[in-house]
Amino acid sequence: DTEVTQTPKHLVMGMTNKKSLKCEQHMGHRAMYWYKQKAKKPPELMFVYSYEKLSINESVPSRFSPECPNSSLLNLHLHALQPEDSALYLCASSQPRDRVNEQYFGPGTRLTVT
Amino acid sequence: DAKTTQPPSMDCAEGRAANLPCNHSTISGNEYVYWYRQIHSQGPQYIIHGLKNNETNEMASLIITEDRKSSTLILPHATLRDTAVYYCIVRGFQKLVFGTGTRLLVSP
Repeated sequence: DTEVTQTPKHLVMGMTNKKSLKCEQHMGHRAMYWYKQKAKKPPELMFVYSYEKLSINESVPSRFSPECPNSSLLNLHLHALQPEDSALYLCASSQPRDRVNEQYFGPGTRLTVT
Repeated sequence: DAKTTQPPSMDCAEGRAANLPCNHSTISGNEYVYWYRQIHSQGPQYIIHGLKNNETNEMASLIITEDRKSSTLILPHATLRDTAVYYCIVRGFQKLVFGTGTRLLVSP
């Protein structure tokens, strides 16, 4: 099984809502990632979890709150988002090796903030 | 992480080889070259990686110059399903930094 699943596929939320994105993998990977991708732009790293501990936060605003409850699951909690946060949110996983690191990506959640 | 430069777009006829170049002149000795692609509305897909030697797998070949300052991804027999944005990434530690990539259009 080389699949990373993400739910929901699409999400529309208002600026006062609280919602969560979910990512799951069963490849035994111990590193998981959140990326944000705006239209016609490359993915940008947001967070990295290694062995269920947050290891990289790329100065992401606090209205995005990641959580890694176990080695297979990664959540992204959203609160008080802005319309400019509308984007495709991608989850990925890999083995946490320093230099040789093939990441497997999910299909993404397309988020629209109204 | 070293910066990469790729042409913004390329065309290829179906069945022909697609050769996608990447410049990474500031690469350091322990940094790997990775290639990913992203088909429209999907997550990126890992293709191949290499350090010094040329590499081949079931998807593609990677040719790295001897000075390691540039590389070429080769799709030997491009199909319409290979139409995608191809990203060349030089990675030293833990994180992937995507550049703007090359949009490859494979036509019949």
